[in-house]
Amino acid sequence: EIVLTQSPATLSLSPGERATLSCRASQSVSSYVAWYQQKPGQAPRLLIYDASSRATGTPARFSGSGSGTDFTLTISGLEPEDFAVYYCQQRRDWLRTFGQGTKVEIK
Amino acid sequence: QVQLQESGPGLVKPSESLSLTCTVPGGFISGYCWSWIRQPPGKGLEWIGCIYYSGSTNYNPSLKSRVTMSMDTSKNQFSLKLSSVTAADTAVYYCATESTGRLDYWGQGALVTVSS
Repeated sequence: EIVLTQSPATLSLSPGERATLSCRASQSVSSYVAWYQQKPGQAPRLLIYDASSRATGTPARFSGSGSGTDFTLTISGLEPEDFAVYYCQQRRDWLRTFGQGTKVEIK
Repeated sequence: QVQLQESGPGLVKPSESLSLTCTVPGGFISGYCWSWIRQPPGKGLEWIGCIYYSGSTNYNPSLKSRVTMSMDTSKNQFSLKLSSVTAADTAVYYCATESTGRLDYWGQGALVTVSS
């Protein structure tokens, strides 16, 4: 099983600031990482797939990068609606796994 | 846009089976793997498995002995059955579509509580 470790667990930032979220895989997953946003009481929403491709409807302030074992989700300027929990997920292995999540909260 | 809707009992007794159905009003699309993911209260996401239109399945090995997924194309539904449940199976269960490894569309989720 490929383990994804996200850091930090919580990120406290103000609106307008830049958020940088990390996801590290226990072995290479090539570029097969997706990122999801989840707000309280809602289902996760796909933001980024294949490390850097924005899903339909994902604002341009969200960008993804990385390959191999290290991946980053960057939010260039936090909007009020961006405060949420973010999960990474890999599809390199048929057994899909998720990271434990990073909560982006208002400072 | 694919809409998904989970349905099923919200309360299941320990040792019994949990059964959920996901309805796809627009019908099935070939190429997707029709998936189930769960999330215990206050915790992260766990992939349970998925079923292709052909009927072939992939299950999480940690649950494989207790999981059965099936599809009823005449009703535009796919289903999850999880046997011998315990309190650890209490979670929000989501159905979702998987296309080339990404989970594009999700249902709103169904909370299932395991309790006597």
